[in-house]
Amino acid sequence: GAGVSQSPSNKVTEKGKDVELRCDPISGHTALYWYRQSLGQGLEFLIYFQGNSAPDKSGLPSDRFSAERTGGSVSTLTIQRTQQEDSAVYLCASSGVSYNSPLHFGNGTRLTVT
Amino acid sequence: GNSVTQMEGPVTLSEEAFLTINCTYTATGYPSLFWYVQYPGEGLQLLLKATKADDKGSNKGFEATYRKETTSFHLEKGSVQVSDSAVYFCALSVEGNQGGKLIFGQGTELSVKP
Repeated sequence: GAGVSQSPSNKVTEKGKDVELRCDPISGHTALYWYRQSLGQGLEFLIYFQGNSAPDKSGLPSDRFSAERTGGSVSTLTIQRTQQEDSAVYLCASSGVSYNSPLHFGNGTRLTVT
Repeated sequence: GNSVTQMEGPVTLSEEAFLTINCTYTATGYPSLFWYVQYPGEGLQLLLKATKADDKGSNKGFEATYRKETTSFHLEKGSVQVSDSAVYFCALSVEGNQGGKLIFGQGTELSVKP
């Protein structure tokens, strides 16, 4: 079926505004991840959902960042009171249950905070 | 903790040259190891993986061998092509309560000139 879908593909927002980024994982994948890729940097882990377990939020950089996953499928990453340093590409990925299942990435949302 | 270190880029090679991109890791437990590739304008995709010591992952002419004794997973290709120009990411995941969360290296940009 379809791959991981993210929307919007690009988002420009003013400093201080809230933004919501959406991820639609591959059907049947129980694990969902959010990563952030800043210019010239590697991939920074943000948050991980696995089935009905409590999410691993250990990578969220501040309390302005939050994410939820409704019905074990679609996920929304919310950034409140955006700052210029939040500008990055936000990547979503999904995978099967096994810890060595490969991740399937979406094309990302490029966020620019002006 | 768990971490991945890659050689810094950019790496510039002529077509048909031999490629090595070094990757070393630190992990608690027994990680699975991965190489992901990001072609220009595209999302990340799995290139190859190895799930236990001495395993060799291979795909598209690329190879990497899981070396537990040196905690390494170096990526090699005998003869690169212009189409191999991309950013390459080494990653690990560890079984346990971290589930399949991938820890990525910072990425190595490869540029192949005709």
